[in-house]
Amino acid sequence: GAGVSQSPSNKVTEKGKDVELRCDPISGHTALYWYRQSLGQGLEFLIYFQGNSAPDKSGLPSDRFSAERTGGSVSTLTIQRTQQEDSAVYLCASSLSWAGAFQYFGPGTRLTVT
Amino acid sequence: AQSVTQPDIHITVSEGASLELRCNYSYGATPYLFWYVQSPGQGLQLLLKYFSGDTLVQGIKGFEAEFKRSQSSFNLRKPSVHWSDAAEYFCAVGPSGGGSQGNLIFGKGTKLSVKP
Repeated sequence: GAGVSQSPSNKVTEKGKDVELRCDPISGHTALYWYRQSLGQGLEFLIYFQGNSAPDKSGLPSDRFSAERTGGSVSTLTIQRTQQEDSAVYLCASSLSWAGAFQYFGPGTRLTVT
Repeated sequence: AQSVTQPDIHITVSEGASLELRCNYSYGATPYLFWYVQSPGQGLQLLLKYFSGDTLVQGIKGFEAEFKRSQSSFNLRKPSVHWSDAAEYFCAVGPSGGGSQGNLIFGKGTKLSVKP
């Protein structure tokens, strides 16, 4: 596609439910990043994929968060047993390679946990 | 620790006035530097980036930024602000060398309001 796409654009869920957020990177981009943007916290890095592997998962805020990437393309961020503090905009970015390459951002998924 | 500081949370300028948004970073080596803009409900759009070479970089929409190594700063400037520039601006740093992780570290953003 022309850019990074994310779905859904908005998600409202009840506390305790699981949610899945999807990211479609730009075709051919091997690196994929997830960030979270919440009020007062700015943009924080969650996880990075090079191909299908995630070398560093230390940015995930808790073990309720997980992510996978298949076929070197689509990535899914899963949040289990959602809490109100998970409410945020989740942004995905992709780049041709790791470090230093320009990251293209998707429009984000706004998650609201009620 | 690696960090980016944007000291101004909110700035208001009059349309046509000049603008400077401040950014300071703490990083182990010379990083790659970026400025992004985010309009309400939109994703992040890259304004400009510094990788190496000339320390004054030009970006889109008439923006420029100057890398000052001695001050660990990468301030964003625009000579004449337009109402459409009202948005939130993020400074970010990324690794310029090898490593297993290429994530960007962002400042907390500066919200720009433009008075008519």
